[in-house]
Amino acid sequence: KQEVTQIPAALSVPEGENLVLNCSFTDSAIYNLQWFRQDPGKGLTSLLLIQSSQREQTSGRLNASLDKSSGRSTLYIAASQPGDSATYLCAVPQGGSEKLVFGKGTKLTVNP
Amino acid sequence: GAVVSQHPSRVICKSGTSVKIECRSLDFQATTMFWYRQFPKQSLMLMATSNEGSKATYEQGVEKDKFLINHASLTLSTLTVTSAHPEDSSFYICSARDPAGGNYGYTFGSGTRLTVV
Repeated sequence: KQEVTQIPAALSVPEGENLVLNCSFTDSAIYNLQWFRQDPGKGLTSLLLIQSSQREQTSGRLNASLDKSSGRSTLYIAASQPGDSATYLCAVPQGGSEKLVFGKGTKLTVNP
Repeated sequence: GAVVSQHPSRVICKSGTSVKIECRSLDFQATTMFWYRQFPKQSLMLMATSNEGSKATYEQGVEKDKFLINHASLTLSTLTVTSAHPEDSSFYICSARDPAGGNYGYTFGSGTRLTVV
């Protein structure tokens, strides 16, 4: 059974700092991994989707890497801003299905 | 990009009543939609997979008679919480994937906060 762990559970940084969020998964037989952002009381916004054949994806100040063999992914946020404050979730498919398994998320606070 | 609309965003209902939540794919057809539940400070847990034109498949431990799912068209899935009780209070989110969306992955609705009093 796929399990996803995210570390740290919470992170507070000053504005402008670069930071890394970590995600690990137990079953490396995944075909993709997706990072989401969730604002309080809101749904999920897709940030980056990495296919299993890729090692990283970039979107603006965000860069996500994937190491399937070690069961790890990182989300790098450059030059953090207060607007980046949110909970970040990573998710991988369960087995070969379309069902997603989520980590508990990292709650990020960027202080002005 | 693909857009999923979920309604209502918030609902308060009395214990024993039923509540219907709608999930629509606005600019694509979704043969499959997913319903998740999220408790405070917890991750999303998949409740069921909604299949257009057929019965939904429920995850272990989810009561199919309490959480009725209907996927009558390629753009609409509904979740009805029947005979709601306070322990059903939670945040419910639906998602779908645009099969023609390439690398877009899954798109989520904005969620529904259900409070049963």
